[in-house]
Amino acid sequence: DGGITQSPKYLFRKEGQNVTLSCEQNLNHDAMYWYRQDPGQGLRLIYYSQIVNDFQKGDIAEGYSVSREKKESFPLTVTSAQKNPTAFYLCASRAGTSGGARYNEQFFGPGTRLTVL
Amino acid sequence: AQSVAQPEDQVNVAEGNPLTVKCTYSVSGNPYLFWYVQYPNRGLQFLLKYITGDNLVKGSYGFEAEFNKSQTSFHLKKPSALVSDSALYFCAVRGTGGFKTIFGAGTRLFVKA
Repeated sequence: DGGITQSPKYLFRKEGQNVTLSCEQNLNHDAMYWYRQDPGQGLRLIYYSQIVNDFQKGDIAEGYSVSREKKESFPLTVTSAQKNPTAFYLCASRAGTSGGARYNEQFFGPGTRLTVL
Repeated sequence: AQSVAQPEDQVNVAEGNPLTVKCTYSVSGNPYLFWYVQYPNRGLQFLLKYITGDNLVKGSYGFEAEFNKSQTSFHLKKPSALVSDSALYFCAVRGTGGFKTIFGAGTRLFVKA
């Protein structure tokens, strides 16, 4: 999990509440990603960001929002519009061409488990 | 469109025996292929990747994978399984020049002592 931190480890959300998941990296990576993991479905891409102040929707962006104001940080907000948010959320980053032999590898954080009460 | 298939939900193997976890892919152009491992309630850890060059790629913890272009496969292998190899394994692919990495649904490996 080295270099990427996610907090909190566990998060509980009430109906109609927005919650924000934190993701910070100290790897100096340009690209960052948010994935959602559900049992038997692998990882699905929510949002990604190639550079600061730019981000793109992934395959399941509805009900989520992100920001990328700093290179190190890529927080994810789960809004009340997301009807089934209970899942394990993973943040990842990837080195650019300056990453040398580690270029193309994604580095993952330890994850946040979100549960709706 | 890119896709990855891991046809087995679970693979069971006895400790000391060889193991194979299967992966096939579909991508436009040349593929970048990856294997990751996940232990319970943890993030994914990188095992190995194929970018170009030799079709047999060696990675962490004694794992290796063979890229087969004609069969569009990238099976993960290990000559002698350990109980500690028991985990969830993900195959992933990204097309050359692409930005999105597509992950398979995962295969749970269970190594019995």
